[in-house]
Formats: sequence, C-alpha cells, structure tokens
Amino acid sequence: DIQMTQSPSSLSASVGDRVTITCRASQSIRNYLNWYQQKPGKAPNLLISSASSLESGVPSRFSGSGSGTDFTLTISSLQPEDLATYYCQQSYGMSLTFGGGTKVEIK
Amino acid sequence: QVQLQESGPGLVKPSETLSLTCTVSGGSFISYYWNWIRQPAGKGLEWIGRIYSSGGTKYNPSFKSRVTMSVDTSKSQFSLNLSDVTAADTAVYYCARVSYFDGSGYSPLDYWGRGALVTVSS
Repeated sequence: DIQMTQSPSSLSASVGDRVTITCRASQSIRNYLNWYQQKPGKAPNLLISSASSLESGVPSRFSGSGSGTDFTLTISSLQPEDLATYYCQQSYGMSLTFGGGTKVEIK
Repeated sequence: QVQLQESGPGLVKPSETLSLTCTVSGGSFISYYWNWIRQPAGKGLEWIGRIYSSGGTKYNPSFKSRVTMSVDTSKSQFSLNLSDVTAADTAVYYCARVSYFDGSGYSPLDYWGRGALVTVSS
C-alpha cells in the first residue's frame, strides 16, 4: 500500500504568517492528492483536490501544489479560523491512505 | 445538499461485532462509492474500506479479515460490520462519499457524515 508522510506534525504561527505543510508519498501518485481541514469536534472538510484544485467556497489563501511524490499545502496568510488539523490523502490505485495530520495552532 | 448520517450502537462489548449504518439523503445513491473512515481520539484518519452502490467492495488490508460492508439501495443506506472488536477499535466512525473512479484513481471524499463515536468496553 502507498504510505503518506506528512510534516510537520504540528506548528504554531502568527496571524498573517505564511504556513507550508508537506506531504510525501511512498511512490508516485501522479496528482491524486487531496487536502482536508478538520476543526475540533468536526468531520474533515475537503479543501483541495487533484493536488491543486481549490474547492468551491474555500478561501483563496489556501493553495496546493506538487505531483508525483511531493506535495505542499500553503496558507498564504494565516487567519484565526484556520486553527485545525490538516490531512493529505492519496486516491491513486485501489486503496485510500491519509497522512498523519498537521495540527496548526495560532500563536 | 447531500447529507450522510451514521447510526448505530455507541457501546460494543469486546469480541462482539460493531455495526453501523450510513443513511444518504439529498442526492442520488446510485453510481457512487461509499466509504467508512475512523479516527481514534486524538489520532489520525484511517480508511476502512468502500462499497459501490451495486455492491462491489474494497477493504483496507489491515481490516480485511474482520470487515464486511453492504448496501440497501432501496433505503439509500450502506452498512459496516467489524467483527471481534477490541478496545483498539474505539473511535469516531465516519461515512463519506467518493464520486467516481477515472481508470487510475478515485475522486476525493467530498461529502462526510458528522461521525459516530463507538466505544468498545465491557
């Protein structure tokens, strides 16, 4: 199965900071990479699909990039409401796997 | 708006079978892939498996010997059975939808239920 490694596992940043989260696949997954935001006590919410396609209603400060094995989620200007855990997820082949998550805290 | 709702017992005894149902409303049930994902408290997400609306399944190999999924298209429902549970199976269980397979991979999990907490304890 394809393993997904996400880093860092947690980070603390100030409002307005640029935040970058990385996700690495154990083999090429082309662009079958999705990002989810999970706020405390809630179900995950799809932010970005196909590595870089922003979902409807998601603020433009979120962006995704990458292909093959290395991917990045960027928040260009961190806002208080971005407090959450972010997960990458690959959907290449027959099984789905998630990264371990990145908990984003506001300083 | 598509909505998914998990239902089932919140407490299951060790060695017994965990059973959950997900009811889909506000959209079509047919021609979609229906998934189960779980999350132990304070931990990450783990995909359990999926079932297509016509009944085909794919399970996470980590669960393969213990998991069974089924569909009832007349009720727009799909179900999860996880046998021989232990405390390690205590988690919030989510159901979620995948829209299509394009020949190489799947579309994302675009609609999720709110989750159901299942505790395994005697």
